Amino acid sequence: EVQLVESGGDLVQPGGSLRLSCAGSGFTFSDFWMTWIRLAPGKGLEWVANIKQDGSDKYYVDSVKGRFTISRDNAKNSMYLQMNSLRAEDTAVYYCARDPPGGNSYYFDLWGRGTLVTVSS
Amino acid sequence: DIVMTQSPDSLAVSLGERATINCKSSQSVLGGSYNLNYLAWYQQKPGHPPKLLIYWASTRASGVPDRFSGSGSGTDFTLTISSLQAEDVAVYYCQQYYGRPPKTFGQGTKVEI
Repeated sequence: EVQLVESGGDLVQPGGSLRLSCAGSGFTFSDFWMTWIRLAPGKGLEWVANIKQDGSDKYYVDSVKGRFTISRDNAKNSMYLQMNSLRAEDTAVYYCARDPPGGNSYYFDLWGRGTLVTVSS
Repeated sequence: DIVMTQSPDSLAVSLGERATINCKSSQSVLGGSYNLNYLAWYQQKPGHPPKLLIYWASTRASGVPDRFSGSGSGTDFTLTISSLQAEDVAVYYCQQYYGRPPKTFGQGTKVEI
């Protein structure tokens, strides 16, 4: 089955760190751009960061630059999001999503079910 | 960054009636080698991840019912549900994927019966 599964979400204090993981299966993970997207309570979807197939290009939304780092390990069919200096406004469900086949940082045809990150004291 | 603005924020439509959602981008998302509109639409139901409905502004994703259609070009786009069904209650988002990231979303439109 083609799927993405996120893990690593938790309750963390402001200023703390967390590492999210996204595991892909049922497809050739290394062929696709991958993206993290979040949904905060009462808000809309927010594109967070993405990474090229070989990890050579990475992009971030301004609000997480310098605090979050996206990476991937194609040998493990996995993508990661290292989140440091967490703030209350980072509280959200974090989704990983995949570009369509042949995509070049386009739209998202496959989504995981999400993992909840709560930043609170 | 390209800002995406949807209207309305919410709408209530009777079963079987038409629902229309608008999406406006702060700059044109039309371009590329094939002169395409870099615009997608998603449906998200509570507790579920978003589902791709439309890409390239008007191409339905696999398995999406034909009551869903996308139109528009440049900066102004529309998602139409021709005959609203109970299972269409959800939040709908547009997303632009033109040029360099971030690939921004609209704020969402909540559709109710």
